Amino acid sequence: KNQVEQSPQSLIILEGKNCTLQCNYTVSPFSNLRWYKQDTGRGPVSLTIMTFSENTKSNGRYTATLDADTKQSSLHITASQLSDSASYICVVSAKSGAGSYQLTFGKGTKLSVIP
Amino acid sequence: DTAVSQTPKYLVTQMGNDKSIKCEQNLGHDTMYWYKQDSKKFLKIMFSYNNKELIINETVPNRFSPKSPDKAHLNLHINSLELGDSAVYFCASSLRMTQYFGPGTRLLVL
Repeated sequence: KNQVEQSPQSLIILEGKNCTLQCNYTVSPFSNLRWYKQDTGRGPVSLTIMTFSENTKSNGRYTATLDADTKQSSLHITASQLSDSASYICVVSAKSGAGSYQLTFGKGTKLSVIP
Repeated sequence: DTAVSQTPKYLVTQMGNDKSIKCEQNLGHDTMYWYKQDSKKFLKIMFSYNNKELIINETVPNRFSPKSPDKAHLNLHINSLELGDSAVYFCASSLRMTQYFGPGTRLLVL
């Protein structure tokens, strides 16, 4: 069964500090892994997408890593800002047939950045 | 201009009613989706449409039916609403791998 586990479930950090969110998955055949940011009351926004051959990708202060061997990904946030307070969702895509794919969502990590 | 828009933003209705949620995207994307996010904030994909063909249909009740009049629209019709249908419903569209989500429709069934 395809699963995506995220940790921690929630995290509180001080403004300006760095943090790392974890995502472990058991999805196959693997196609790509995505990180989304979802602000309260808003729809998710894509941060990064990584395929099998990519092991790191950055988007501003966000850096995602992927280890396809251990089936782990992390999202590192540098110099956090109050606006980083949101839920971060890991999504793994698996190929499931000709031209189709299956998305498995993690339950998210709720990050709170405090002044 | 809003890339992916949904209407209504809020929907409060009684059990047993039939309701529709509309979604439009002006990005020219080929694929559109409907997601349900429950009270625990867990996102689940319900449907996706690619060029008016259903390519993913997760195990959702047949009371839910997606309707796509054209490539820019994917509406969600729900028959005989139940209490458990209360959730936030997100529409999304994509070109290749990046998805763009709408603002969500908050449905409350009383």
